[in-house]
Amino acid sequence: QVQLVQSGAEVKKPGASVKVSCKASGYTFTGYYMHWVRQAPGQGLEWMGWINPNSGGTNYAQKFQGRVTMTRDTSISTAYMELSRLRSDDTAVYYCARDCGEDYYYYYMDVWGKGTTVTVSS
Amino acid sequence: DIQMTQSPSSLSASVGDRVTITCRASQGISNYLAWYQQKPGKVPKLLIYAASTLQSGVPSRFSGSGSGTDFTLTISSLQPEDVATYYCQMGGTFGPGTKVDIK
Repeated sequence: QVQLVQSGAEVKKPGASVKVSCKASGYTFTGYYMHWVRQAPGQGLEWMGWINPNSGGTNYAQKFQGRVTMTRDTSISTAYMELSRLRSDDTAVYYCARDCGEDYYYYYMDVWGKGTTVTVSS
Repeated sequence: DIQMTQSPSSLSASVGDRVTITCRASQGISNYLAWYQQKPGKVPKLLIYAASTLQSGVPSRFSGSGSGTDFTLTISSLQPEDVATYYCQMGGTFGPGTKVDIK
């Protein structure tokens, strides 16, 4: 079955970086764009960007430009999201989510990982 | 940037009621709109995409309509398992969400 398995919870200090992984299975990893979405405690959903696993091309939300890096390793069907210069307001659940479009991006996210909790605290 | 608003921010309705949630875009977006359901403590789930296309496996009591700037999500007969927060989304922008619970 199609699934996305994310790495475990992280606790980081302000100013540090975090790298979250998302391993895909059950479909052709390079055929579907991957989005990253976060959700702060008690808040709504916030889109961070996408990566094209085939080409490695990325598109980041303006808010995260310069702080976020999305990469992938096609040999192990895994996408990564690294966020640097962490602040306390980066405390959130970070989700990877597959775009439903094959070889194109529609921003319609049909498969989601279970989320990775990142806590930023001194 | 396009802004998305939703109304109401929360609602309480009885089982069997027809429920309508509205989403408005700050500029015309054709039909590039999706709706997601997020139950408490759970992962978001795609319900509807392209404004009115039901995602596979989603119950038919859910429907979407609209084009341009104004969109609606309708639950024709509210069920207890529909208690959730519902988000509209266009591209990289999500609406603030509408919390639905049972009266």
